[in-house]
Amino acid sequence: EVQLLESGGGLVQPGVSLRLSCAASGFTFSSYAMGWVRQAPGKGLEWVSAISGSGGSTYYADSVKGRFTISRDNSKNTVYLQMNSLRVEDTAVYYCAKTRGSSSSWYGDYWGQGTLVTVSS
Amino acid sequence: EIVLTQSPATLSLSPGERATLSCRASQSLSIYLAWYQQRPGQAPRLLIYDASNRATGIPARFSGSGSGTDFTLTISSLEPEDFALYYCQQRSNWPPTFGQGTRLEIK
Repeated sequence: EVQLLESGGGLVQPGVSLRLSCAASGFTFSSYAMGWVRQAPGKGLEWVSAISGSGGSTYYADSVKGRFTISRDNSKNTVYLQMNSLRVEDTAVYYCAKTRGSSSSWYGDYWGQGTLVTVSS
Repeated sequence: EIVLTQSPATLSLSPGERATLSCRASQSLSIYLAWYQQRPGQAPRLLIYDASNRATGIPARFSGSGSGTDFTLTISSLEPEDFALYYCQQRSNWPPTFGQGTRLEIK
């Protein structure tokens, strides 16, 4: 059974950093690209970042480029999202998603339960 | 960035009825479109990928069609658990983008 468990969310002030983690199990982790999708309160969905199965390719939405960094540790079956210079508009539930392929198949076929990041002074 | 426009914004139907949801893209996607269901307080669930392929475990009452810029999600006979929010999403270009959603509510 595929399971994705996010952690690391919380309440932070603007300008600080936070690192989200997503521990995966139930599939061959290194064979699949992974992504982070966020949903602001009461709003729609936004793909924030993705990383290929090998970790050699990374992708970012313009809204987070230069501030967020995605990485993965295939030995630990974990994907990370390092979020720097957080802004109020980054407030959202952040979902970890497994994609359907090793790269560029940007459909989330399994999702974690989400972790809430609140950026407020 | 590719813009996806879903219609209608809200669809009011009764259990047992047929639901037809639409998604229009600002440029051709070939078949690279998915549909998701999201219930309150839950993560999205993949229903359909590449326009017409049902994801693992998705009931046969869900079907998708279309190509290019116009796509449709059809639910043949609504069950009580189908009343939720539905999103389309394209993977033709990075970044993947979602439509604004269609809320399927009980009439």
